Amino acid sequence: DAGVIQSPRHEVTEMGQEVTLRCKPISGHDYLFWYRQTMMRGLELLIYFNNNVPIDDSGMPEDRFSAKMPNASFSTLKIQPSEPRDSAVYFCASSSPELGANEQFFGPGTRLTVL
Amino acid sequence: GQQLNQSPQSMFIQEGEDVSMNCTSSSIFNTWLWYKQDPGEGPVLLIALYKAGELTSNGRLTAQFGITRKDSFLNISASIPSDVGIYFCAGQQGGSEKLVFGKGTKLTVNP
Repeated sequence: DAGVIQSPRHEVTEMGQEVTLRCKPISGHDYLFWYRQTMMRGLELLIYFNNNVPIDDSGMPEDRFSAKMPNASFSTLKIQPSEPRDSAVYFCASSSPELGANEQFFGPGTRLTVL
Repeated sequence: GQQLNQSPQSMFIQEGEDVSMNCTSSSIFNTWLWYKQDPGEGPVLLIALYKAGELTSNGRLTAQFGITRKDSFLNISASIPSDVGIYFCAGQQGGSEKLVFGKGTKLTVNP
């Protein structure tokens, strides 16, 4: 089975540019999570969706960040405009509690560098 | 927000040795999860615990859900070089799908 798919794996951009990160969850999973990982703060939950609906976006740092899930197999995290402090690894994860488990399965991540 | 205190922060051991790491919290959790992260990759789920007192094994890995529901530990027996990585605990409270992560234990295994 294919796991969570993220693209791109690496993104280097200049301050002020728009960045779009993409995620395809595991088929059949109805929860999707976006995380950010940095050395200083560890793994932080940014936002999560259930059945394509945003449930909790309290972790989104500011209005420059937005996330969408137009359908069950695709989600985007957008940063506009990007800033150097946004440099981090961004992970997408999915889970399906209806299958009797609350385990979240992570994608390989997108390493973002904002110059 | 909720925090998990994970210790030790790092460990340097010889191949063949056993390893133990733990997570504690001031809050009660309904689920404890242990993940391993290799460099350049996402965390991979190792063990999930759902009941207080539960002891679960996955090969050389054993994890327990503390009886108070505020802690969990992970043991690795007879470590091998491929055990190298960062191990994270994560807890989930009732009524939410959100996970709270510890800061990780970085494990180095010397051949």
